[in-house]
Amino acid sequence: GNSVTQMEGPVTLSEEAFLTINCTYTATGYPSLFWYVQYPGEGLQLLLKATKADDKGSNKGFEATYRKETTSFHLEKGSVQVPDSAVYFCALRASGGSYIPTFGRGTSLIVHP
Amino acid sequence: DGGITQSPKYLFRKEGQNVTLSCEQNLNHDAMYWYRQDPGQGLRLIYYSQIVNDFQKGDIAEGYSVSREKKESFPLTVTSAQKNPTAFYLCASSHWDSHNYGYTFGSGTRLTVV
Repeated sequence: GNSVTQMEGPVTLSEEAFLTINCTYTATGYPSLFWYVQYPGEGLQLLLKATKADDKGSNKGFEATYRKETTSFHLEKGSVQVPDSAVYFCALRASGGSYIPTFGRGTSLIVHP
Repeated sequence: DGGITQSPKYLFRKEGQNVTLSCEQNLNHDAMYWYRQDPGQGLRLIYYSQIVNDFQKGDIAEGYSVSREKKESFPLTVTSAQKNPTAFYLCASSHWDSHNYGYTFGSGTRLTVV
């Protein structure tokens, strides 16, 4: 079946540090890949997406590149800020019949001033 | 603006009671989903529906029920059979082309047993 594996958190960084949150997936075919962000007490918001190999999704300074050869979709940001503190979820939507998304367990990011 | 509205934001349930969580979307999305989130945990799928009057069980459907009488609405009932209902509940929806557009989430309902 499909699966998404994210690095364990929490990830704790100082402001302006470089962020990487690793995400790898298992799926047949060519899934679409997503990063969602969840702020405390809120629902998930779509952060960025990529629908085919080598696509780069980007939004609000965050980037992730769809790497089919390594089945990865790592989230990066060059300089994190305190408001970036949140939980980040990697997800996939498999190609073919199933429209049900598969989510990773989430990675908590804490940014200190 | 289009979106998903979940209500109420906070809900308290007494032992043995059924409670219903509301989820309404005006995005004209075909599919709708209910997830449960426990502290420090990921999302677990309770029920999902692709079309009106049809829905399927997810991974943890026991103790829950849903209906899909209208495209816009997908209410979740937490029954007394659900022994540990305290959690954060998230509703989501998607266009048939979720491959390109992804999924839209509501702001959640926090249910507490008192």
